[in-house]
Amino acid sequence: QKEVEQDPGPLSVPEGAIVSLNCTYSNSAFQYFMWYRQYSRKGPELLMYTYSSGNKEDGRFTAQVDKSSKYISLFIRDSQPSDSATYLCAMSHPTGANSKLTFGKGITLSVRP
Amino acid sequence: DVKVTQSSRYLVKRTGEKVFLECVQDMDHENMFWYRQDPGLGLRLIYFSYDVKMKEKGDIPEGYSVSREKKERFSLILESASTNQTSMYLCASSPQGQGTETQYFGPGTRLLVL
Repeated sequence: QKEVEQDPGPLSVPEGAIVSLNCTYSNSAFQYFMWYRQYSRKGPELLMYTYSSGNKEDGRFTAQVDKSSKYISLFIRDSQPSDSATYLCAMSHPTGANSKLTFGKGITLSVRP
Repeated sequence: DVKVTQSSRYLVKRTGEKVFLECVQDMDHENMFWYRQDPGLGLRLIYFSYDVKMKEKGDIPEGYSVSREKKERFSLILESASTNQTSMYLCASSPQGQGTETQYFGPGTRLLVL
């Protein structure tokens, strides 16, 4: 079993839809959870960051972590064509002063006008 | 804002050539990383560095080497390029300590080896 699994997609939704993107993981030591957004031919940019379990909201985006189920989600409300991108989940565990990330493979989202 | 820059957006090289990819960050981050990104395989860590002149192998170091002579600069070297090294190469940086888990990426270099 891979450490981080992400639905491969691609995913296509109409504008205004609620989008749910998910990742599961196997390493119970993970404490930090991130979502990166990557537009075509660009580098990933940090979208959401969550420590441990719970929800975090930022505008139309909500990140949710369920450590008991080893499951994280990113919800996008009122999706827009500008949300069309590849979304990667990433996570890490505390290792002192330095940390490496473990990434999901990413899912490509297309929001149709 | 953190800025990570990469020397080239697109590169075309021939098999057997030595290739240098440069990455510079302006936020005084201690940690720097090189990844490659391929369809269906996601991001894979090649090498990383936690300090000047320090390097550690990632998951796929074969065929690559790195150099970190200055804190802000991390170079990836393909000693003898091969066609299976055609890929998108991404550099990232992060601070030590507080916030170390958040990495900031450059725009990427798309390398084609013929």
